[in-house]
Amino acid sequence: QVQLQESGPGLVKPSETLSLTCTVSRGSISSYYWTWIRQPPGKGLEWIGYVYYSGSTDYNPSLKSRVTISLDTSMNQFSLKLTSVTAADTAVYYCARSSHLGEFSSGFDSWGQGTLVTVSS
Amino acid sequence: QSALTQPASVSGSLGQSITISCTGTSSDIGSYNFVSWYQHHPGKAPKLIIYDVSNRPSGVSNRFSGSKSGNTASLTISGLQAEDEADYYCSSFTTRSTVVFGGGTKVTVL
Repeated sequence: QVQLQESGPGLVKPSETLSLTCTVSRGSISSYYWTWIRQPPGKGLEWIGYVYYSGSTDYNPSLKSRVTISLDTSMNQFSLKLTSVTAADTAVYYCARSSHLGEFSSGFDSWGQGTLVTVSS
Repeated sequence: QSALTQPASVSGSLGQSITISCTGTSSDIGSYNFVSWYQHHPGKAPKLIIYDVSNRPSGVSNRFSGSKSGNTASLTISGLQAEDEADYYCSSFTTRSTVVFGGGTKVTVL
């Protein structure tokens, strides 16, 4: 069973860049879509974007101007960068994997435990 | 893209059945049979329980079932058990090739 683990700073200052990494173990990063999802305190889930193993990406239109998701196949990791953060970006950030090889549309069946990132000075 | 609409809370007694609705638009739920449902116990990772409207991943109880009509999808939990108390989220693939989630429904087992 593939395992995902998020890592990165738990506190980021306003206007700075939030950077997180997801390490994939017990499985290959090939042929799946790898995604970031967040949940602000007391709110629902929000899809941030994905990277495919080929390196192609797509993002939530509401975040697109500030988000970059990239892949490091040699390390079996993928990363999230979110620039110019504000308090509204405070959330638990999850990394997840698409449930089907080569498909993005059928949900996410493997998730990390999530990491809380707080934006505050 | 706007979030899908779910009721904030649904409750039911042990052994009963409950249904959670998830309303979208013709740009998401209405366009594809790509609706997923997740069970989320706070502090844990969300768990995929339904994909492609009505399919259950291996290992998911058959007490969970999904359906769709027009722009609205539904999740039914039959034979409600104490461990079903959790938050439930729907999601849909969209015509912009993105994913949108619902606001979540808190299920309480009475």
